[in-house]
Amino acid sequence: DAKTTQPNSMESNEEEPVHLPCNHSTISGTDYIHWYRQLPSQGPEYVIHGLTSNVNNRMASLAIAEDRKSSTLILHRATLRDAAVYYCIRRRWSGGSNYKLTFGKGTLLTVNP
Amino acid sequence: DTEVTQTPKHLVMGMTNKKSLKCEQHMGHRAMYWYKQKAKKPPELMFVYSYEKLSINESVPSRFSPECPNSSLLNLHLHALQPEDSALYLCASSPARTDTQYFGPGTRLTVL
Repeated sequence: DAKTTQPNSMESNEEEPVHLPCNHSTISGTDYIHWYRQLPSQGPEYVIHGLTSNVNNRMASLAIAEDRKSSTLILHRATLRDAAVYYCIRRRWSGGSNYKLTFGKGTLLTVNP
Repeated sequence: DTEVTQTPKHLVMGMTNKKSLKCEQHMGHRAMYWYKQKAKKPPELMFVYSYEKLSINESVPSRFSPECPNSSLLNLHLHALQPEDSALYLCASSPARTDTQYFGPGTRLTVL
């Protein structure tokens, strides 16, 4: 089961920061938090992931709460091309070298010009 | 070559047809995945292949039959599908020892 909870939708203005929240209160110690996004008519695209520490890359930042029960994806300056469904995912180990991404329902982000 | 390609883009089939979906990557990734995505829903994992061996089958009905002929290619054979199997079928791959997945654009399947 997914066991991540996100708002169904959020709205932002272009060039403003966006904070996308995710709750994962039943996360286990070895589960990573992954974020993917899916633009219209495309497959999902990796955004960022982390375990305990905050993470930055060229696309976004990920802030993980100290108790790991929640996290926030931060887009520093939203553009129209960032309009997508953003999925917060628990990555679980399934034995051997197998990992499973179980997608939650996602947040539809609308970016206004 | 840094992408996952899927063919065909669209497929319409009857319930008695046999068809196949194809997925290809040339990034040297050793894990490949099939997902099913219904409209306005998140992707759901169907199968995982690791080093060309089936490692995860998420209790998918036998009318879906995956095949991994080599490390670059992943097929999904379809037979006797139902209209409720109509969905976007996504393929993904990931490098060994990491689990960042790279998705293809999907095949939109309609079963009549």
